[in-house]
Amino acid sequence: GENVEQHPSTLSVQEGDSAVIKCTYSDSASNYFPWYKQELGKRPQLIIDIRSNVGEKKDQRIAVTLNKTAKHFSLHITETQPEDSAVYFCALNRDDKIIFGKGTRLHILP
Amino acid sequence: NAGVTQTPKFRVLKTGQSMTLLCAQDMNHEYMYWYRQDPGMGLRLIHYSVGEGTTAKGEVPDGYNVSRLKKQNFLLGLESAAPSQTSVYFCASERGHTYNEQFFGPGTRLTVL
Repeated sequence: GENVEQHPSTLSVQEGDSAVIKCTYSDSASNYFPWYKQELGKRPQLIIDIRSNVGEKKDQRIAVTLNKTAKHFSLHITETQPEDSAVYFCALNRDDKIIFGKGTRLHILP
Repeated sequence: NAGVTQTPKFRVLKTGQSMTLLCAQDMNHEYMYWYRQDPGMGLRLIHYSVGEGTTAKGEVPDGYNVSRLKKQNFLLGLESAAPSQTSVYFCASERGHTYNEQFFGPGTRLTVL
């Protein structure tokens, strides 16, 4: 079945620096790629998504890039702040389902 | 709007006991999902439904059953709980038909002794 590989599993960055999380996949039929953020003890929430007809999408300090040829997509967070500390999940569609990566725990260091 | 709600929030079971988790949404969403979340494993899909009266298996369906008798409710049942089912369970709903944001419930923390 479709797997989505997410790296790294843990990431620590200095406050104010940028963070990048990357996901790779194998099924070329996938055309929807959301990213979810889960704060400690909370539910996952969508922060940004991209569809296969665009290569990049931005929303303030976060951006997602998609390379359909290479089958990878990435989340970029610039000017990181303490409130960015959370677990981030990439995901993609397969049939009627959304398949999630295993998550990246992002630590923002003071 | 309450969004997506789950009951109960916490539960402790003994091996072999049964229970039902209830998910309710008031957004008139077509699609509903049950996930389990374990450390380091992300969110794994147990079962899902693309409309009232329909259900389908996800990645890890064994040991669970579901029902969607009403559009707003999606029930997850454990007939004979096992320690391997200790997890946090999240329900989610989605408008459906084209891929859209999934709205998650607050989760149910289940411990099976």
